[in-house]
Amino acid sequence: AQSVTQLDSQVPVFEEAPVELRCNYSSSVSVYLFWYVQYPNQGLQLLLKYLSGSTLVKGINGFEAEFNKSQTSFHLRKPSVHISDTAEYFCAVSPYGNKLVFGAGTILRVKS
Amino acid sequence: DAGVIQSPRHEVTEMGQEVTLRCKPISGHNSLFWYRQTMMRGLELLIYFNNNVPIDDSGMPEDRFSAKMPNASFSTLKIQPSEPRDSAVYFCASSLGDVGRGTEAFFGQGTRLTVV
Repeated sequence: AQSVTQLDSQVPVFEEAPVELRCNYSSSVSVYLFWYVQYPNQGLQLLLKYLSGSTLVKGINGFEAEFNKSQTSFHLRKPSVHISDTAEYFCAVSPYGNKLVFGAGTILRVKS
Repeated sequence: DAGVIQSPRHEVTEMGQEVTLRCKPISGHNSLFWYRQTMMRGLELLIYFNNNVPIDDSGMPEDRFSAKMPNASFSTLKIQPSEPRDSAVYFCASSLGDVGRGTEAFFGQGTRLTVV
């Protein structure tokens, strides 16, 4: 079975600092990878996705992620965070069919 | 479009009572998903429908849980009888196409269920 590991449950960072949220997946076959964001008291929304092609994927709100097949990683980065980026971020993979398997989530806390 | 609409937003019920959660997907979307979110288990897919037909219910925890989609614009998730361990946030999501192939899943704001 495919799984997703988000290595940090919480990441505190100061405003305008860079941030990296780590995600590793286990799979023996090609997968599609996603990052979703959940703002307080909201549902999840798609940040970015990797299906094929360039390993560097750009998403909304200045986020980007890099797919690394050899390290089975899909880390999310932003060069300069804002207070409004405070949220929980979920990495997800699609094993097969119309399904998404989510990681446990990483809470990003941006401090002023 | 107003997005995926879930009701109620909050539900507090006593153990043993029946609970019904409701979802209206985005018009035109052909896939609908029910997820449960808890601190202990994170986000779990309970069931999903394609064109109103249940495709995979392997995530439904037990027979106390049931889901229906009588038409393309409405779905329910029922718990009977409810237990304290069912306390969680339940999300409904919909998509136009296969989320596993990159189609975005649109989530509702969730129903926070508390069973006392």
